Amino acid sequence: AQSVTQLDSHVSVSEGTPVLLRCNYSSSYSPSLFWYVQHPNKGLQLLLKYTSAATLVKGINGFEAEFKKSETSFHLTKPSAHMSDAAEYFCVVSDLAGNTGKLIFGQGTTLQVKP
Amino acid sequence: GAVVSQHPSWVICKSGTSVKIECRSLDFQATTMFWYRQFPKQSLMLMATSNEGSKATYEQGVEKDKFLINHASLTLSTLTVTSAHPEDSSFYICSARASVGAFFGQGTRLTVV
Repeated sequence: AQSVTQLDSHVSVSEGTPVLLRCNYSSSYSPSLFWYVQHPNKGLQLLLKYTSAATLVKGINGFEAEFKKSETSFHLTKPSAHMSDAAEYFCVVSDLAGNTGKLIFGQGTTLQVKP
Repeated sequence: GAVVSQHPSWVICKSGTSVKIECRSLDFQATTMFWYRQFPKQSLMLMATSNEGSKATYEQGVEKDKFLINHASLTLSTLTVTSAHPEDSSFYICSARASVGAFFGQGTRLTVV
């Protein structure tokens, strides 16, 4: 069975400082991993995805994530936080090997950006 | 990227009535769509997988007679919450699977009073 664990339920940073949102995954085969962002009362927007190509994945809005198989991690980073980055972030693994395309969501991390 | 439109974005209904939520893929065809439910400050829980032209597959614990899913065309899936109760109040989100990944609707805030 696949699962993802987001290690922090809440992260607070100051504007202009780096962002690190941590995610560990569990999968019996090579996973497809995603990060989604959700602003209040909105749907989800795909930030980036890993699908067994380059281990360092660049996404939108300056975010990137690195797939580390040895650590079973897929942490999301950004060099400099912006106020507009404040939102809920979900790490997601896809059940592509089962060919269903189901997405399994982590618990979410709330990112707070202080001025 | 691909666009998924969900309607309505919010709805208030009385206890005992039914509510229909639509999910449309606007610029691609989706043979598979997914319906999720999100409680306040919690993650998304998959309710069911909607397959065009066939019956939906429900996750364990989801009442299929209460949450009716219809996927009559390659661009439209509907979720009907039947005989709604206050505990059904939640944020419902659909997603449609395209060749490059899954895209989400903007969600529907359902409040049952």
